[in-house]
Amino acid sequence: AQKVTQAQTEISVVEKEDVTLDCVYETRDTTYYLFWYKQPPSGELVFLIRRNSFDEQNEISGRYSWNFQKSTSSFNFTITASQVVDSAVYFCALSGGFFYNQGGKLIFGQGTELSVKP
Amino acid sequence: GAGVSQSPSNKVTEKGKDVELRCDPISGHTALYWYRQSLGQGLEFLIYFQGNSAPDKSGLPSDRFSAERTGGSVSTLTIQRTQQEDSAVYLCASSFHPGLAVYNEQFFGPGTRLTVL
Repeated sequence: AQKVTQAQTEISVVEKEDVTLDCVYETRDTTYYLFWYKQPPSGELVFLIRRNSFDEQNEISGRYSWNFQKSTSSFNFTITASQVVDSAVYFCALSGGFFYNQGGKLIFGQGTELSVKP
Repeated sequence: GAGVSQSPSNKVTEKGKDVELRCDPISGHTALYWYRQSLGQGLEFLIYFQGNSAPDKSGLPSDRFSAERTGGSVSTLTIQRTQQEDSAVYLCASSFHPGLAVYNEQFFGPGTRLTVL
């Protein structure tokens, strides 16, 4: 079975603090993809990053960085120097198996609501 | 270009009525997905369409739910005899080609908020 766990339901930080959102996944597939999506108060899910199971390199995009560790089945997301505009619900998602078989349907974690206060 | 669009944005209906929710995917995207977001269940996969292949209906919660995709583009999700537990935000997403890693991210629409009284 596939499962994504985001243990942090809510996080509150003050602007300019760094914050890490945790994501732990379970899958028996050897080929899979991991994603992070942002859902701002407006409601629309915004794609942030994709990682495939063969690429454990960390990635940095501006203030965002992602740490993928297969040994611990984790795909954590760090926001450096957080800003009020980062306030949103963040979802980690897993898509497993070969895409032609499973079509890439996403299994989402429960989401972490991040509140950045000025 | 235009993103995924959904209509209506809000729908209020009475228990027992049928509802239809519409999704227009991004032009050229071959894959289309429906998800449901509710407070109790989070984000759940419902159904997936890819080209002319048979849809993956494994996430549909009951036989009251059905969906079709016409001409490989627009999709309609139909809920028959709605129940209060069907109240949720229904999200549609599309991707260019789920089989190709560089094109497999899903782009989501704004959703339809369904309220069943």
